[in-house]
Amino acid sequence: DTAVSQTPKYLVTQMGNDKSIKCEQNLGHDTMYWYKQDSKKFLKIMFSYNNKELIINETVPNRFSPKSPDKAHLNLHINSLELGDSAVYFCASSHRTSLETQYFGPGTRLLVL
Amino acid sequence: AQSVSQHNHHVILSEAASLELGCNYSYGGTVNLFWYVQYPGQHLQLLLKYFSGDPLVKGIKGFEAEFIKSKFSFNLRKPSVQWSDTAEYFCAVGSGNTGKLIFGQGTTLQVKP
Repeated sequence: DTAVSQTPKYLVTQMGNDKSIKCEQNLGHDTMYWYKQDSKKFLKIMFSYNNKELIINETVPNRFSPKSPDKAHLNLHINSLELGDSAVYFCASSHRTSLETQYFGPGTRLLVL
Repeated sequence: AQSVSQHNHHVILSEAASLELGCNYSYGGTVNLFWYVQYPGQHLQLLLKYFSGDPLVKGIKGFEAEFIKSKFSFNLRKPSVQWSDTAEYFCAVGSGNTGKLIFGQGTTLQVKP
């Protein structure tokens, strides 16, 4: 009964490839997020969707495209992967406002060679 | 722009020692404050949060934090740490109604048995 799940857990790929990371939550939340954690463990928000609508879009290259087919899913597609994309990507979900706790997935460790 | 600063990057303590991790933020408006913890190999989970009311908040596992508005601080404390408290600790600030969280750079706590 995992609350927020991500697949895959590990992803090793070559520069220039396109890859996707999937996220699903079964908490009934209406808002989902993608965060990037760099090698220094610094967490930075990338995107947020509320009811399939994009509400946060930080300064992220156009190569990153989130897709939310429904409230329970938020996938992250990355085109033309670069070395600097290597990081841990965390999905999270919550009810919309910042008053609510965000529940995080286990993370996807992406390594671009 | 909002920012969150955690002063201690790496803290090493012996079991039973007292813990205080510093967190300062820069934002002039109403904020919601969080401490998240990431145990080795696990996802981030909420330790405690402050929205309003009593500035001293208690969280799970004996942790507490005090919001001092005049100092823009939200320091995390525990009177007596255990080996199982070894983890990464992240302070975060939320504001507005988008659910956007700004995280500090994290503090690695290592507790020696």
